[in-house]
Amino acid sequence: DQQVKQNSPSLSVQEGRISILNCDYTNSMFDYFLWYKKYPAEGPTFLISISSIKDKNEDGRFTVFLNKSAKHLSLHIVPSQPGDSAVYFCAASKERDGNNRLAFGKGNQVVVIP
Amino acid sequence: SAVISQKPSRDICQRGTSLTIQCQVDSQVTMMFWYRQQPGQSLTLIATANQGSEATYESGFVIDKFPISRPNLTFSTLTVSNMSPEDSSIYLCSVERSINTGELFFGEGSRLTVL
Repeated sequence: DQQVKQNSPSLSVQEGRISILNCDYTNSMFDYFLWYKKYPAEGPTFLISISSIKDKNEDGRFTVFLNKSAKHLSLHIVPSQPGDSAVYFCAASKERDGNNRLAFGKGNQVVVIP
Repeated sequence: SAVISQKPSRDICQRGTSLTIQCQVDSQVTMMFWYRQQPGQSLTLIATANQGSEATYESGFVIDKFPISRPNLTFSTLTVSNMSPEDSSIYLCSVERSINTGELFFGEGSRLTVL
């Protein structure tokens, strides 16, 4: 049972434009959400997170939006750069489980065209 | 930050054999986590390895299939036993980036192909 879903497995965007990645979850008990970025032949690296008490968190070019009622979050990258080309994983956790037990989505491949 | 090294980075294995993956961290950590990413699938937590105690396995994973060692605070091994083609995956070691946030550092992964 896939608790975290990332549709549209790949996205191509022109350099300088906005990349928007979407993520839906089914478990209403999730209260912490994270995005990871993965380059080929490397492990995922933490990018940005958001707690369920917030609806937006911004870090430089990266902003994550959370809509709890819709069980939906999105990652915005603006402006997109060629170095952003990677696979992006959405993840979620429940504080009661210990936040190191994450449920991951399958990932979105982003290609930024120079 | 933590630097995590995994060996081997990739291997091709025969059905029925076992392979041990090593994970070395450059600092002492309480918990180390082993994840699996099957082709086209999400990352799935296999188990949590604690120093001085038995590993805690997630639903669907058992010690006989995935024995884990944690001899000290900087090292862990995961063995994939009696492999079948379904075990072809990337196996990832990880440690906490900050306590109880789910923010993890990952190793580069070990890509296993079982023929």
